[in-house]
Amino acid sequence: AQSVAQPEDQVNVAEGNPLTVKCTYSVSGNPYLFWYVQYPNRGLQFLLKYITGDNLVKGSYGFEAEFNKSQTSFHLKKPSALVSDSALYFCAVRAQYTGGFKTIFGAGTRLFVKA
Amino acid sequence: NAGVMQNPRHLVRRRGQEARLRCSPMKGHSHVYWYRQLPEEGLKFMVYLQKENIIDESGMPKERFSAEFPKEGPSILRIQQVVRGDSAAYFCASSPPQAHSGNTIYFGEGSWLTVV
Repeated sequence: AQSVAQPEDQVNVAEGNPLTVKCTYSVSGNPYLFWYVQYPNRGLQFLLKYITGDNLVKGSYGFEAEFNKSQTSFHLKKPSALVSDSALYFCAVRAQYTGGFKTIFGAGTRLFVKA
Repeated sequence: NAGVMQNPRHLVRRRGQEARLRCSPMKGHSHVYWYRQLPEEGLKFMVYLQKENIIDESGMPKERFSAEFPKEGPSILRIQQVVRGDSAAYFCASSPPQAHSGNTIYFGEGSWLTVV
């Protein structure tokens, strides 16, 4: 079955420190991987995606993610966290099935950045 | 260039009433997806539609829920005889045609349904 897992419900970091939000996936064929961010009472905003090419993908707001095929991971990173980065982060994988493509989301990881 | 538009943003219904949620995709997008987010939970896929065609409704509850995307007008998610457990945020997303498997789906701001 095709799936995506975010092993941490919550991540706490201090402002200015690097942050990592973890994501692993299981998909047949080539993976298409995405990160989204959700602020309170808002919709999901697209941050970045990996389709092919360079394993390090850069996205919005200084975020980046590293695709690791051997570990089937796509962790989200940022060198220096801001308090305003506090939000809910979703990893997603685009999976192919008989009807076409479906985007499957992880359960989400809540990031708290403390000043 | 408007994004995905959802309305209403907030909807209150009494138990047993009907709720209708509307979604207009981004310009040039022909595919619509509906997701449900329960409080403090992740996103659950409900249904995937193209114009006049339901592609995948594997995430839709068997009863009371239906969705459509007519040739003209927005996509509609309809919930009949609502119950308290239907209280959630309902998100619509859209994407271009499926020719490119790496297409990003873009979300609206959501419709928050409260059943009292």
